[in-house]
Amino acid sequence: AQSVTQPDIHITVSEGASLELRCNYSYGATPYLFWYVQSPGQGLQLLLKYFSGDTLVQGIKGFEAEFKRSQSSFNLRKPSVHWSDAAEYFCAVGNNAGNMLTFGGGTRLMVKP
Amino acid sequence: DVKVTQSSRYLVKRTGEKVFLECVQDMDHENMFWYRQDPGLGLRLIYFSYDVKMKEKGDIPEGYSVSREKKERFSLILESASTNQTSMYLCASLPLGVEDTQYFGPGTRLTVL
Repeated sequence: AQSVTQPDIHITVSEGASLELRCNYSYGATPYLFWYVQSPGQGLQLLLKYFSGDTLVQGIKGFEAEFKRSQSSFNLRKPSVHWSDAAEYFCAVGNNAGNMLTFGGGTRLMVKP
Repeated sequence: DVKVTQSSRYLVKRTGEKVFLECVQDMDHENMFWYRQDPGLGLRLIYFSYDVKMKEKGDIPEGYSVSREKKERFSLILESASTNQTSMYLCASLPLGVEDTQYFGPGTRLTVL
């Protein structure tokens, strides 16, 4: 069975600081990996996805993530956080068709001015 | 752009009531999904459907049923609402046979009193 762990429930960073959100997954084959963001009162918006190829993927809003098979990780990074990045972030792993997603518990990001 | 809409943003019901949550997508997607979202647990799959009148149980189907009479519409039904079904409910859709991501609606926050 596939599973996703986001070890950090809450993270607070200062505006302008760098950010890394951790995601570890368990999956028997090559995973489809996703990061979503949910702003307060909103649905989920896709930040980026990994299906195959280059293990460093670029997403929207200046985010990137790196797939590391040896560590079963797909950490999300941003070099300089903006106040508008305050939200909840979800990592998810999908099956080979991307149909069945398993989500992590989420990381809530707070940004200090 | 894909649009997934949900009939209500907020809903308050009483214990024992029958509750219908409606989801409509406008992109002719074959697959549709219902999740519930709870703090610390991320999103958990309740049911999904890969075609009209077809449905499959997800991870937490107990206490729920679904209906898909038309391709664009997927309904979640709580036959007899209970307080432990108070949650945020998210609908998503996904095209069949292509590498893509699920597209999410804005969510319905259901409170059962």
